[in-house]
Amino acid sequence: IAGITQAPTSQILAAGRRMTLRCTQDMRHNAMYWYRQDLGLGLRLIHYSNTAGTTGKGEVPDGYSVSRANTDDFPLTLASAVPSQTSVYFCASSKGQATDTQYFGPGTRLTVL
Amino acid sequence: GQNIDQPTEMTATEGAIVQINCTYQTSGFNGLFWYQQHAGEAPTFLSYNVLDGLEEKGRFSSFLSRSKGYSYLLLKELQMKDSASYLCAPSDSNYQLIWGAGTKLIIKP
Repeated sequence: IAGITQAPTSQILAAGRRMTLRCTQDMRHNAMYWYRQDLGLGLRLIHYSNTAGTTGKGEVPDGYSVSRANTDDFPLTLASAVPSQTSVYFCASSKGQATDTQYFGPGTRLTVL
Repeated sequence: GQNIDQPTEMTATEGAIVQINCTYQTSGFNGLFWYQQHAGEAPTFLSYNVLDGLEEKGRFSSFLSRSKGYSYLLLKELQMKDSASYLCAPSDSNYQLIWGAGTKLIIKP
């Protein structure tokens, strides 16, 4: 592993189903983030974690949950998917200092039907 | 509220120079990032400005004026591979990045 990986690359999901998007980084970064990107809109922060064991809500947290059991992994769960959650999801990480550069994973393209 | 304004799309010619502007309004300010995003790919870091002035990095330069809430990204000697979206992202008082929708730059031969 080099950098940040995300899985799956893409997924088509029926509405109402539960889905977990996986994110793993091997840079020993303290901070991790989940964003969604929709056409015509900027990246919007869903949840973040400043360090293992802590999480926080971003701009659009409703319908999503996260956990940060260790430094490397930061899964995002959709408990009951809805069509409005169709989007491209990016995971990112940074060293943890407030103005550190964020490095992004390749993204997961999710379609909820 | 917090707001980022960038042009939606710009077109330039290979070998030329292009300037992409960004104006912002944020609750507090802790610097501004520029990222590049090729279609279907993840954003990648280009530059970070926290003080007023110009930061030069090879063919790319970024300028910041905190008093005007204004930044620009200057790309010189344009190459076809520079065709991408360019994202402006100031950091607010909570050190969270506020992302603009991006400027799609089209390079023509």
